[in-house]
Amino acid sequence: KAGVTQTPRYLIKTRGQQVTLSCSPISGHRSVSWYQQTPGQGLQFLFEYFSETQRNKGNFPGRFSGRQFSNSRSEMNVSTLELGDSALYLCASSLAAGGTQYFGPGTRLTVL
Amino acid sequence: SQQGEEDPQALSIQEGENATMNCSYKTSINNLQWYRQNSGRGLVHLILIRSNEREKHSGRLRVTLDTSKKSSSLLITASRAADTASYFCATDALASGGSNYKLTFGKGTLLTVNP
Repeated sequence: KAGVTQTPRYLIKTRGQQVTLSCSPISGHRSVSWYQQTPGQGLQFLFEYFSETQRNKGNFPGRFSGRQFSNSRSEMNVSTLELGDSALYLCASSLAAGGTQYFGPGTRLTVL
Repeated sequence: SQQGEEDPQALSIQEGENATMNCSYKTSINNLQWYRQNSGRGLVHLILIRSNEREKHSGRLRVTLDTSKKSSSLLITASRAADTASYFCATDALASGGSNYKLTFGKGTLLTVNP
């Protein structure tokens, strides 16, 4: 089975712009979670989607949003980018919520 | 705040030695999982231990769980240079104020195995 894929792998944006990141889960996985990883804050949970519904949301401002499509692919969007949004964004899929998570390689976002 | 906290933050050992990392958490959990991350890449799942289990083995890995102390440990025996990575514990617990379970990661232990 193909693993979790994330596109793009690297992204450079400037403050105020918006960005959309994409995640394709492992075939058959219906749960997709997003995490932000920074050296200072570690791995922070953004949100989780299951069958196109947001099940859980982390403590991030409304500039961070996401969605899941009927084929389980997911996107996350960050609007009005700030310097502090520079991070590695990781997507993970699982068969069910709370189970083993399979991570993609991440998208490294740099905001200038 | 983080649900799981790993200890120590960094650990440096020689090849062949054993490495022990600890994780403490705050609330009741459904299960606890350990992950490894190499140099800013994606995380790889190592092992999952359920709240009603006390010990689990997988190859050179041994995980223990003490729900009364809300703590877990990960032991890597006969370490190799390739084990150099960051190790994270993740707790599966009810999201605060919610009815769904959520996986929360600690900040990790950076393990360096010197050849």
